[in-house]
Amino acid sequence: GQQVMQIPQYQHVQEGEDFTTYCNSSTTLSNIQWYKQRPGGHPVFLIQLVKSGEVKKQKRLTFQFGEAKKNSSLHITATQTTDVGTYFCAGGRNQFYFGTGTSLTVIP
Amino acid sequence: GAGVSQSPSNKVTEKGKDVELRCDPISGHTALYWYRQSLGQGLEFLIYFQGNSAPDKSGLPSDRFSAERTGGSVSTLTIQRTQQEDSAVYLCASSLMGNTIYFGEGSWLTVV
Repeated sequence: GQQVMQIPQYQHVQEGEDFTTYCNSSTTLSNIQWYKQRPGGHPVFLIQLVKSGEVKKQKRLTFQFGEAKKNSSLHITATQTTDVGTYFCAGGRNQFYFGTGTSLTVIP
Repeated sequence: GAGVSQSPSNKVTEKGKDVELRCDPISGHTALYWYRQSLGQGLEFLIYFQGNSAPDKSGLPSDRFSAERTGGSVSTLTIQRTQQEDSAVYLCASSLMGNTIYFGEGSWLTVV
């Protein structure tokens, strides 16, 4: 199946600092989705990107889909303690393949 | 129901016993996934069902693992002769093909 990698695996930031996680695929993706999993919870859908070069924003979160549709990024501006969790990307069209996840810790 | 329902929510079993985990997807969702997640780790893909198509079983870790989806709805994941390394959260998820994936709360399996 498709390989979807994410970096970094772990990230610790001071509250107020920015955070970025990167998602890379070995093949071209039709769509990319992003999910957030709070500690002890299950992954919850954040957003889907479909178009090459697409950029979408949700408050302090900015999502990008690469021009070649093989990579994506999630950037959080001025992190807060509520941002703590693991962020997963998932690429595909019909069947989606989840990335390895980035675990974010925010230090107050 | 309103969401993906999984049962049992917690299961403690003795090594060597068989376990069955159940998933009720959101009504009308044609796609169903099973994942395994160990503590602090990522999502390990197990199996994917889509409508009446042959399932993608490429993630099943051994022949002790099997899954069925009856009538295109409820799914059961069976683990035979459980081992301690099978201890994890088993997450089920469903979606309309190509759309948002909704996860259940998971079944927490502990093999002692």
